[in-house]
Amino acid sequence: DIVMTQTPLSLSVTPGQPASISCKSSQSLLHSDGKTYLYWYLQKPGQSPQLLIYEVSNRFSGVPDRFSGSGSGTDFTLKISRVEAEDVGVYYCMQSIQLPFTFGPGTKVDIK
Amino acid sequence: QLQLQESGSGLVKPSQTLSLTCAVSGGSISSGGYSWSWIRQPPGKGLEWIGYIYHSGSTYYNPSLKSRVTISVDRSKNQFSLKLSSVTAADTAVYYCASYAGYFQHWGQGTLVTVSS
Repeated sequence: DIVMTQTPLSLSVTPGQPASISCKSSQSLLHSDGKTYLYWYLQKPGQSPQLLIYEVSNRFSGVPDRFSGSGSGTDFTLKISRVEAEDVGVYYCMQSIQLPFTFGPGTKVDIK
Repeated sequence: QLQLQESGSGLVKPSQTLSLTCAVSGGSISSGGYSWSWIRQPPGKGLEWIGYIYHSGSTYYNPSLKSRVTISVDRSKNQFSLKLSSVTAADTAVYYCASYAGYFQHWGQGTLVTVSS
């Protein structure tokens, strides 16, 4: 299985300040089709996870542009340019280049 | 807009079989655009993908659970189901159903299943 790791595991951010989460995979997520199968999900308190970013850097429909994803191969980053109160929750990276799909352990973001 | 809703027993005794159903509305489960997954989350922990079933009926299960898992589709009811046998306390979790079309786009609200005697 591909192991996904995230750092930090928790993050406390002042509203309006930036935040960054790192995700690393144990194998490259670059497929021969040219796509990189790395996704970011946010699970808000008491809710189901919701898709934020697909294929490293593509914001899903309705996701604010303060969220951005970057990276390649095995190293990826999710950035929030200016954290808002509604951004609290647990952020998960996930790979789907190889079955079984695997998630990172999650990064809990809260507001200072 | 697809909507998914889990249902099933919230309490299962150790060694018995957990059974859950996910009702799909807003679209046909037979649509070629999606596969249908189960994902679980133990209390206070992260997400674990259990497996999926394609519209064709073919399945893939997480090897960590493969010997105990069955996912099936009931096209007449537009729903799919999860069975997990020989459960233990380690199977206590919130179980989510989700549609997959390159990513998990639509999720159910999740249902807590507790394994306890």
